[in-house]
Amino acid sequence: GAVVSQHPSWVICKSGTSVKIECRSLDFQATTMFWYRQFPKQSLMLMATSNEGSKATYEQGVEKDKFLINHASLTLSTLTVTSAHPEDSSFYICSATSGRAGNEQFFGPGTRLTVL
Amino acid sequence: GEDVEQSLFLSVREGDSSVINCTYTDSSSTYLYWYKQEPGAGLQLLTYIFSNMDMKQDQRLTVLLNKKDKHLSLRIADTQTGDSAIYFCAESGGSQGNLIFGKGTKLSVKP
Repeated sequence: GAVVSQHPSWVICKSGTSVKIECRSLDFQATTMFWYRQFPKQSLMLMATSNEGSKATYEQGVEKDKFLINHASLTLSTLTVTSAHPEDSSFYICSATSGRAGNEQFFGPGTRLTVL
Repeated sequence: GEDVEQSLFLSVREGDSSVINCTYTDSSSTYLYWYKQEPGAGLQLLTYIFSNMDMKQDQRLTVLLNKKDKHLSLRIADTQTGDSAIYFCAESGGSQGNLIFGKGTKLSVKP
């Protein structure tokens, strides 16, 4: 099956710093990548949709200047949490779809961000 | 709006069957999914069902879909301790092509 990787798998940073999370589709070209956020014991909430070569579409309530998304190639999307604060601590999960019939989404293993 | 509801907890004994239920609101969803999440890990796709089907079986897993009532269930036969995890129901009705997830059902399997 298709594989999506995320790097890093976990990161601890100081408040005020920026953190970049990578999402890669390893064996297929991802026309669309999604970034989700999951708080403890909560569901996954969509943050933004990223299409290769165009600007990301952010969900209501998600600050685009704080969560910078770049989808520079068909296999890589990055999420940068700028000026991180403790309330940004969460589990960030990306998914990728090739856009083929079935629209199956393949999820990365997630990145645990802890902001001190 | 789009909404997916699941019960939060289910506890069963090893060897019994588990049934996890889900209701959704978007009748236009083409696919409905079941994902498994183990502690600290990402999501693992267990199975999915196309909206024009009413049942799908895959080894120990059986998915039942009642499209009229917008009700989806996942039955795990002969539940094992390794099945302990959180199970998410999801529908494909997101406006961006994203999935809409339920809050997840935590399945605990007792020996």
